[in-house]
Amino acid sequence: DAGVIQSPRHEVTEMGQEVTLRCKPISGHNSLFWYRQTMMRGLELLIYFNNNVPIDDSGMPEDRFSAKMPNASFSTLKIQPSEPRDSAVYFCASSPRTELNYGYTFGSGTRLTVV
Amino acid sequence: DAKTTQPPSMDCAEGRAANLPCNHSTISGNEYVYWYRQIHSQGPQYIIHGLKNNETNEMASLIITEDRKSSTLILPHATLRDTAVYYCIVAGSNTGKLIFGQGTTLQVKP
Repeated sequence: DAGVIQSPRHEVTEMGQEVTLRCKPISGHNSLFWYRQTMMRGLELLIYFNNNVPIDDSGMPEDRFSAKMPNASFSTLKIQPSEPRDSAVYFCASSPRTELNYGYTFGSGTRLTVV
Repeated sequence: DAKTTQPPSMDCAEGRAANLPCNHSTISGNEYVYWYRQIHSQGPQYIIHGLKNNETNEMASLIITEDRKSSTLILPHATLRDTAVYYCIVAGSNTGKLIFGQGTTLQVKP
């Protein structure tokens, strides 16, 4: 099992550009989560999906952020336009089901730097 | 979800047991205690969870007090690779989402 796969591992972009982060969950996992981590705010849940449907996007910071899950094996987090304050590590996680007792498996993250 | 309180940092000697405390005095009857850890530059990793009974797996043991207001994660023989931030999270299993606090930074020293 390759685990949760995120790409790219590192992204450097200029302010105002569109950024797309990608995530491939573990096959068979029905829940997918996007987190953001900064020194100031720690790990923040941005949005999560169950069976490809967004369930809770209350953590999405603003309209510049959008997430999609077109199928069970792929999700994207898009920032348009990007700003320096979006610089962070973005983690994707998946779980077999929404119940927390199944445990989350996290990817290695995408380190985003907006200059 | 119930709030948790963890010490910001702890040290442990390599080969000794690491005992990480967590206070959750407002925990409700249907809420579980979950532990994750995050090694530097990696995503968080699930360790263990429990409701009221003590639990043990290949990674750690979880001791929950009888009143469930606090718990301790035990790494029986800490190694340098156990240096990480350890998160204690209290939530209902059907909450659908994990909310991380600041955690405890455990430094295992040779």
